[in-house]
Amino acid sequence: DVKVTQSSRYLVKRTGEKVFLECVQDMDHENMFWYRQDPGLGLRLIYFSYDVKMKEKGDIPEGYSVSREKKERFSLILESASTNQTSMYLCASSYGIGYTFGSGTRLTVV
Amino acid sequence: GDSVTQMEGPVTLSEEAFLTINCTYTATGYPSLFWYVQYPGEGLQLLLKATKADDKGSNKGFEATYRKETTSFHLEKGSVQVSDSAVYFCALRGLTGGGNKLTFGTGTQLKVEL
Repeated sequence: DVKVTQSSRYLVKRTGEKVFLECVQDMDHENMFWYRQDPGLGLRLIYFSYDVKMKEKGDIPEGYSVSREKKERFSLILESASTNQTSMYLCASSYGIGYTFGSGTRLTVV
Repeated sequence: GDSVTQMEGPVTLSEEAFLTINCTYTATGYPSLFWYVQYPGEGLQLLLKATKADDKGSNKGFEATYRKETTSFHLEKGSVQVSDSAVYFCALRGLTGGGNKLTFGTGTQLKVEL
C-alpha cells in the first residue's frame, strides 16, 4: 500500500518558534502538497511542489515556506509561529489524478 | 478561479436513511471531480471520482454523477450506516495551474445514528 507519513500527529509550539512539519512519501510521486484544514473553511492549499527543489505558492502561503531537497520528502516551515497558525496540517502526494493524504499534524501554537 | 460549494453540515440521519450531499462547482472547461471522506482522526481518502460529463463514480454504495449542465456532483447513498459517519469533501481538479492541484469544498459532516 502506498503511504504518506507525517512525522507528528500532535505538536504544541510557542509563539515565535520556528516549526518544521515533515512529510515523506514512498511512492516516487513527483507532486507533493501542503494543506491546512480549519472548521468551516475546508482545505486550503499552502504550497505545492512538482519536482525536487521546485515549489509553487498555493492560496495561503503567507507565514510559511517549504523545502524539497529529495523527491520523497516535503517539509513545511513556519518561520515564526503565530497563534493564527493553529490548525490541522495535511500533506498529500500525487501522480496523475489520484491524491494520497497523510494522517495530518494538529499544531497548536500557544 | 475554481471553486467548490457544498452544503453545510452537520447532517444527521438515522441508519438506513437516504443520503444526499449537494456539491456545485465553478471552473472553466471540464474539470475532474472527486469526493473524499475523512474518518475521525484520519487523513482524507478518495471515495469516488468522475473525469468527464455524465460519468458516474461509485464506491462502497456511494454514487455521484458529473452533471455539466448544472455544474453539480451530488453525493448519494441509498442506505447509510453508522460506520459512514465522517466528513465528506467535494473537490475538483481544474485545467489551469500546474501540479494537479485540487480545490476543495468546506466539507460536510455526516452523523448517522441508530
